[in-house]
Amino acid sequence: EVQLVESGGGLVQPGRSLRLSCTASGFTFGDYAMSWVRQAPGKGLEWVGFIRSKAYGGTTEYAASVKGRFTISRDDSKSIAYLQMNSLKTEDTAVYYCTRVSGSYKQYYFDYWGQGTLVTVSS
Amino acid sequence: SSELTQDPAVSVALGQTVRITCQGDSLRSYYASWYQQKPGQAPVLVIYGKNNRPSGIPDRFSGSSSGNTASLTITGAQAEDEADYYCNSRDSSGNLVVFGGGTKLTVL
Repeated sequence: EVQLVESGGGLVQPGRSLRLSCTASGFTFGDYAMSWVRQAPGKGLEWVGFIRSKAYGGTTEYAASVKGRFTISRDDSKSIAYLQMNSLKTEDTAVYYCTRVSGSYKQYYFDYWGQGTLVTVSS
Repeated sequence: SSELTQDPAVSVALGQTVRITCQGDSLRSYYASWYQQKPGQAPVLVIYGKNNRPSGIPDRFSGSSSGNTASLTITGAQAEDEADYYCNSRDSSGNLVVFGGGTKLTVL
């Protein structure tokens, strides 16, 4: 059974940093790209970024709203994906979901989601 | 702003058919996928690719696409289908990912 478990959320002051972790199980982690998606309170889903598998270079892409502040990395030996969030802003307050990426270039989808972890940025 | 546009709200009578649409230029090149989200829960994938359902998703859910519009159809809507529905796809550049703004489905 595929499972994704996020951790590391909490209350943080504006301008500070926080690192989220996503621990995966039930599949060969290194074979898949992983992505982070967030949802501000009462709002819709917003894609944050993804990291490709090592087979595709392990490179990353980010939404414009977080580029330069957030960094996604992965440790395939531990089956963990990370989201390092720096220079946090109040508008980064959201539930952050870890997702597994499947499909191909033409069909790209998130087939498994974690339960989410809440990040609150406030003074 | 989102590159994928959805109607904010749609309603359907119990047992009837409803179509939820998603419009965007990137849909001319890439398939949309669809997610169902109920209050307090994580989203769940319901349709991906041309018209594929993950295991466990009822066959009353189907997907289609024409031009710049992708559609999610629920044939014989049930009370448990009341939820928010989101489409997503690659963006027009092909490098990034976008979500639609979401459609709140009410089953009357």
